[in-house]
Amino acid sequence: DTAVSQTPKYLVTQMGNDKSIKCEQNLGHDTMYWYKQDSKKFLKIMFSYNNKELIINETVPNRFSPKSPDKAHLNLHINSLELGDSAVYFCASSQDPTSSTGELFFGEGSRLTVL
Amino acid sequence: KNQVEQSPQSLIILEGKNCTLQCNYTVSPFSNLRWYKQDTGRGPVSLTIMTFSENTKSNGRYTATLDADTKQSSLHITASQLSDSASYICVVSAGTGGFKTIFGAGTRLFVKA
Repeated sequence: DTAVSQTPKYLVTQMGNDKSIKCEQNLGHDTMYWYKQDSKKFLKIMFSYNNKELIINETVPNRFSPKSPDKAHLNLHINSLELGDSAVYFCASSQDPTSSTGELFFGEGSRLTVL
Repeated sequence: KNQVEQSPQSLIILEGKNCTLQCNYTVSPFSNLRWYKQDTGRGPVSLTIMTFSENTKSNGRYTATLDADTKQSSLHITASQLSDSASYICVVSAGTGGFKTIFGAGTRLFVKA
C-alpha cells in the first residue's frame, strides 16, 4: 500500500492555465506538506497544514493554494501557471511536526512542465 | 542564516567499495538531523535520524555520524551496491521542525559495476 500518493505523476501544460495536483496519505498523520524541488534539487517547503493551522511560506506566490477536504488529503491548486513554476512537487506527511524526531513521509512527486 | 551544505556534489564509485558523504550545517537551535535517500524519479525516503545526544546511527550498510560541536555529519555506505545509486539528502531541523526543516542540495552517488 502506498503511504503518500500523488497524482498526476507528470503534468504538461501551457502558460496561463490553472491546474491541480492531488495528494492522499493513509498513514493517519495529522500534518501534510507541499514541497517544491527545483532544477538544483533543493527541496523547499511551500505549505504546512493540519486541521487547525495552515502555514504558508511567504515566498510562495498567491497563485498557489492548498485545499484540504479532509485530514487525509491536501491538494495543490495553481492558477495562471508561469514558466518558472516548472518543477517537481512533493507531498509529504508527518505524525507530529512538533516532535523532535518527527519523520517526513514523501510521495513520489509530480513533475510539472509549463510550456 | 540556517543552511545545510553537502559535499561532494556528486561521487562515482565502483560496486563493493565504501564511501562517505559529508554534511555541514549552521541550523540553530538544532533539533535533529536526518539523512534521506532519493532514487531518480522517486520521493525521498528516510535512512537515519539523530538528535543532539546521538553521535552515530546505523541502518544496515548505512552509518550516520553526528558531531554537534562542529556541526558536521557524515553518511558512510559500506560495500556499495548498484541500488545505492541515488541522491542522498541531509536534512536538519531547528526547533519544532516544520518550516524550520532545512534541506541540503544532496550528493548524487553513482555506483558502477
